[in-house]
Amino acid sequence: DAGVIQSPRHEVTEMGQEVTLRCKPISGHDYLFWYRQTMMRGLELLIYFNNNVPIDDSGMPEDRFSAKMPNASFSTLKIQPSEPRDSAVYFCASSQQGWGTEAFFGQGTRLTVV
Amino acid sequence: DQQVKQNSPSLSVQEGRISILNCDYTNSMFDYFLWYKKYPAEGPTFLISISSIKDKNEDGRFTVFLNKSAKHLSLHIVPSQPGDSAVYFCAASAVNTNAGKSTFGDGTTLTVKP
Repeated sequence: DAGVIQSPRHEVTEMGQEVTLRCKPISGHDYLFWYRQTMMRGLELLIYFNNNVPIDDSGMPEDRFSAKMPNASFSTLKIQPSEPRDSAVYFCASSQQGWGTEAFFGQGTRLTVV
Repeated sequence: DQQVKQNSPSLSVQEGRISILNCDYTNSMFDYFLWYKKYPAEGPTFLISISSIKDKNEDGRFTVFLNKSAKHLSLHIVPSQPGDSAVYFCAASAVNTNAGKSTFGDGTTLTVKP
């Protein structure tokens, strides 16, 4: 397996635009996580899915953020409208058994909102 | 309230010596702990883990120690190598009770000098 694949690797957008980040988890992994890394807040969990169902989205900063997982091999994180403070590295990760087992991270998407 | 803390933002050691990275947690419900290593422009990768029923887990040059009474764990790297230079994240979760999300510390940047 190629690991967790995220796209794009880099995204630069203007404030107010919609941004969509994509993730393909490792086949057979039942859990998918979206994280955000910033200098101020470190690595924070935004939302996670189990068997394509969102389980906990309490980390999503506000209604401008939404995430979907239409099938076991694809998930999106959307920001609409984007703001400069959304600039960060967004990681997607997947694992076989959820908490307590190792998660495999993608390479991340570096988002810059100008 | 930050439940997992890595109080040392950075650590510098000489090649061949021991590196000790520390992590403290506050949630007594955490029962599984993991260490991840992160290189620049890459996602975190799993390094080693420990369950709360153990106080030590060893994998090659890496050993994790858990002191439940002190709510403290540490990662020992012996001997340290220049390739170990990276950011190390401590993570904790409450697997058995499902009482808390997997939480990451802010990371410690390790530099191993040749």
